[in-house]
Amino acid sequence: GAVVSQHPSRVICKSGTSVKIECRSLDFQATTMFWYRQFPKQSLMLMATSNEGSKATYEQGVEKDKFLINHASLTLSTLTVTSAHPEDSSFYICSADGTYEPGNTQYFGPGTRLTVL
Amino acid sequence: AQKITQTQPGMFVQEKEAVTLDCTYDTSDPSYGLFWYKQPSSGEMIFLIYQGSYDQQNATEGRYSLNFQKARKSANLVISASQLGDSAMYFCAMRDPKGGNNRLAFGKGNQVVVIP
Repeated sequence: GAVVSQHPSRVICKSGTSVKIECRSLDFQATTMFWYRQFPKQSLMLMATSNEGSKATYEQGVEKDKFLINHASLTLSTLTVTSAHPEDSSFYICSADGTYEPGNTQYFGPGTRLTVL
Repeated sequence: AQKITQTQPGMFVQEKEAVTLDCTYDTSDPSYGLFWYKQPSSGEMIFLIYQGSYDQQNATEGRYSLNFQKARKSANLVISASQLGDSAMYFCAMRDPKGGNNRLAFGKGNQVVVIP
């Protein structure tokens, strides 16, 4: 149980295009999902908290209009990187709140590696 | 603000030996949760073990155990009988009870390389 999928796993795009990343909880419902960004050899940086049916809560310094988050159902959250630029190249990883798990354990997707040319 | 500290440099471990990864934390809240995750080179974050601040016993999960010393605010991960597949980055994390929405704060990670 507690499986989270993420799609696509890898994407290469041209500067100026938008990229959508999907995060799905496959065997449980997640009212809360999280989006992280990770640079090489660094820890995870929380970008935003996504709540089903409401607006996402963004961390300080994260551009809301740049990183659009939608959590339309209890099993799906999407992150859209709008007008991507090379500095947006990074590893993006989502997690889902396992509300009924000990400690509300977060389960992570496999991540998406974004390269903007 | 809470803080998770992982300061060990990269570690080389002989296969079949045990390894301890250090994690200290700082919080003023009496209720909190501590987690360890493994991140292999593929990038996925794999949940390993959880310890609640009120748990009386140290958490164990297969070859993973957590040496929880509440007074010292440390939550070290012990991996017994290391296997080659244990080579990865290991992150300690703490749930922020005051932040709402079950946010996690992560340490910088420990790199472990298991050698045959």
